Amino acid sequence: QKEVEQNSGPLSVPEGAIASLNCTYSDRGSQSFFWYRQYSGKSPELIMFIYSNGDKEDGRFTAQLNKASQYVSLLIRDSQPSDSATYLCAVRGGTSYGKLTFGQGTILTVHP
Amino acid sequence: GAGVSQSPSNKVTEKGKDVELRCDPISGHTALYWYRQSLGQGLEFLIYFQGNSAPDKSGLPSDRFSAERTGGSVSTLTIQRTQQEDSAVYLCASSFGPSDTQYFGPGTRLTVL
Repeated sequence: QKEVEQNSGPLSVPEGAIASLNCTYSDRGSQSFFWYRQYSGKSPELIMFIYSNGDKEDGRFTAQLNKASQYVSLLIRDSQPSDSATYLCAVRGGTSYGKLTFGQGTILTVHP
Repeated sequence: GAGVSQSPSNKVTEKGKDVELRCDPISGHTALYWYRQSLGQGLEFLIYFQGNSAPDKSGLPSDRFSAERTGGSVSTLTIQRTQQEDSAVYLCASSFGPSDTQYFGPGTRLTVL
């Protein structure tokens, strides 16, 4: 079992729809959770981080964390073609203090 | 303000040669990380420096890989006797501390022929 798992996709949604990206992790001691966006040929850029159970909203983005289920998700409302990218889930803490452990990433395509 | 910088942006080398990759973190960031991203492998941790503490080398794939961080700032990742499987994008990240957000540099694309 991989430490951080994501559906590789591709996930295709129409412009204006809600895109839902999911991630599960295996280390129950994990403390911090991050979503990075990576455009083709570019380096990852941070979208959101979440530490506590529940929802965290920032503009069109909402991160959701459920530590009991070891599950974290990212919702993108009013999806735009410019949101088309690979979304990386990353986890820190527990046995991996300091370093981030990444999922394989989900490819999102938003079509006009 | 300036972000994390890396050099070179691209490096093509022949199998068996040594290469050095450089990372200049964001000013004031005490933590520095190296990751590698290759097709089919995702983004994997290599090594982590925090202040003057001994680095966490648990992600280095073999003893051909080494890294140092001089003066708590610039870091160099060295790969000796490069192999074709070393071909990847090498990403450096930095953060204020180990519990803070990591910001990535643009990466160095290494191609081993």
